[in-house]
Amino acid sequence: RKEVEQDPGPFNVPEGATVAFNCTYSNSASQSFFWYRQDCRKEPKLLMSVYSSGNEDGRFTAQLNRASQYISLLIRDSKLSDSATYLCVASPYGNNRLAFGKGNQVVVIP
Amino acid sequence: EPEVTQTPSHQVTQMGQEVILRCVPISNHLYFYWYRQILGQKVEFLVSFYNNEISEKSEIFDDQFSVERPDGSNFTLKIRSTKLEDSAMYFCASSDNEQFFGPGTRLTVL
Repeated sequence: RKEVEQDPGPFNVPEGATVAFNCTYSNSASQSFFWYRQDCRKEPKLLMSVYSSGNEDGRFTAQLNRASQYISLLIRDSKLSDSATYLCVASPYGNNRLAFGKGNQVVVIP
Repeated sequence: EPEVTQTPSHQVTQMGQEVILRCVPISNHLYFYWYRQILGQKVEFLVSFYNNEISEKSEIFDDQFSVERPDGSNFTLKIRSTKLEDSAMYFCASSDNEQFFGPGTRLTVL
């Protein structure tokens, strides 16, 4: 079973719309969770950490459900510049290896 | 803003040759990592390094791979005898709590 699973998409989103996607993780020992953004042929860049209480950063909201072992990301008021692949990431604890999902590809359409 | 740097950006080599990929982590970070991403696939953990020794490695990181911190700034990944399937993007990362990635080295093995 893959450690982190994501539906790759693509998710075609009209500009200004809201898009949400989930990922699931299999390792119940995972303690730290993140969303990274990856543009085509570039490095992953940290978008936000995900906390048990949920957290928001501008138009981005992340949620963690430990009981069901899934993480979600919601993007409000999508911009063309949001077009990217969003990588769900889990880690057993701080400064340990990151387990990446394959990513959710988001294409924001004018 | 401090960043992780990697050289070279592209490396083309013949099968069986040795390659050394170089990284300069963020200066006050203590944890260093190598990941790889085969085209179209997810980012995969290779190895983590702390206090001048390997702290964790994946099953991908077999005897043909080695890492070194030869001085106070560089962190290198050596692949001793490259195979066709080693062709991938190799990302270095460093961490004080959250991991930040370098721009990657695209390795092509012919």
